[in-house]
Amino acid sequence: GQSLEQPSEVTAVEGAIVQINCTYQTSGFYGLSWYQQHDGGAPTFLSYNALDGLEETGRFSSFLSRSKGYSYLLLKELQMKDSASYLCAVRDNTNAGKSTFGDGTTLTVKP
Amino acid sequence: EAEVAQSPRYKITEKSQAVAFWCDPISGHATLYWYRQILGQGPELLVQFQDESVVDDSQLPKDRFSAERLKGVDSTLKIQPAELGDSAMYLCASSLNSNRGGTEAFFGQGTRLTVV
Repeated sequence: GQSLEQPSEVTAVEGAIVQINCTYQTSGFYGLSWYQQHDGGAPTFLSYNALDGLEETGRFSSFLSRSKGYSYLLLKELQMKDSASYLCAVRDNTNAGKSTFGDGTTLTVKP
Repeated sequence: EAEVAQSPRYKITEKSQAVAFWCDPISGHATLYWYRQILGQGPELLVQFQDESVVDDSQLPKDRFSAERLKGVDSTLKIQPAELGDSAMYLCASSLNSNRGGTEAFFGQGTRLTVV
């Protein structure tokens, strides 16, 4: 089985940098994804890590340490529109490639 | 831009009634997922299809829920009878063949179900 833990809430100021953590335990790890979900909206894909290290996409970066069961999402130059829930999801290494989601971290960006 | 289509967007039903949701994935996406999301929680996988075959339905309450994807394209999720605890957002998502490394799932806007 798989379990994931994320902080429930994070608050930051516009223009700042914020880090959102995700720790996981899994019986078979294939990769980890991050999704953004605005209130009442659908999750949208942000990033995917299968190997250790940092992946950068614009203002967003995601880091993975497989040995520690740990990932973080780094958001730079925060904007008000970044206020949303951020979900990490671990994909297992079975043929189905099932993904299990964490409960999400609500980011509030203040002016 | 291609997107996952779901209908209806909102559904209010009385408990013990039957309800059905429809999903049309992005063309060419072999993998289709149905998730249930309760407010304040992450999406929970109910069923995953690879083409027309179910590859995971371990969390689907099979006494009342059923799902099909007869031609390997669009899909229907049914609840009969609905219970108060089924009130949630039902999300459909699709991706390229997950067996061959497709990693990004594209989600539809969901169906918000309220059981009264």
